[in-house]
Amino acid sequence: EPEVTQTPSHQVTQMGQEVILRCVPISNHLYFYWYRQILGQKVEFLVSFYNNEISEKSEIFDDQFSVERPDGSNFTLKIRSTKLEDSAMYFCASRTSGVASEQYFGPGTRLTVT
Amino acid sequence: DAKTTQPPSMDCAEGRAANLPCNHSTISGNEYVYWYRQIHSQGPQYIIHGLKNNETNEMASLIITEDRKSSTLILPHATLRDTAVYYCIAGYNFNKFYFGSGTKLNVKP
Repeated sequence: EPEVTQTPSHQVTQMGQEVILRCVPISNHLYFYWYRQILGQKVEFLVSFYNNEISEKSEIFDDQFSVERPDGSNFTLKIRSTKLEDSAMYFCASRTSGVASEQYFGPGTRLTVT
Repeated sequence: DAKTTQPPSMDCAEGRAANLPCNHSTISGNEYVYWYRQIHSQGPQYIIHGLKNNETNEMASLIITEDRKSSTLILPHATLRDTAVYYCIAGYNFNKFYFGSGTKLNVKP
């Protein structure tokens, strides 16, 4: 069964460093998303992406964040200058173009900022 | 998006049906109800969704009341592996999901 994959599974970085989290969505999906979950808290929406553009973003997704689909298979989230409060699980999701189609989530990348 | 209310936790005996309620009294006519679950810190796993009619798949059944103000997710024969946090999400904005606190389902032997 097709699934969303994410790399790395765990990333440790120092405050102020740039990180890139990578996702490979399900191959025939057209809509892509990033969510994050700080330890012990709710899953929070960050950004949605369709047709090489951001469709929506939350207030969390500020200028330090960017997304890109550099080729036909990868979808990336970049954090330019990481802060301690960026430490969280980051989940990528994707869905087809069908009305009300469900989102499928990847296993997540645990980002630890020291 | 409609606000959803779920009990914080529930217990279920292994092999019995688990019935997880969700209240979405402010849901509008074009909003769907989605159910996801999260085991430990894994990525949320899609279970089922519906608009008006009851739905069933290989994982679960979704019962939506006629007025659509509430729904129930039914796991027909719960196993220990069904222990997870279950999220009910109601919305029509297909570009984002808002996750609440969910229901922690404890399946006990």
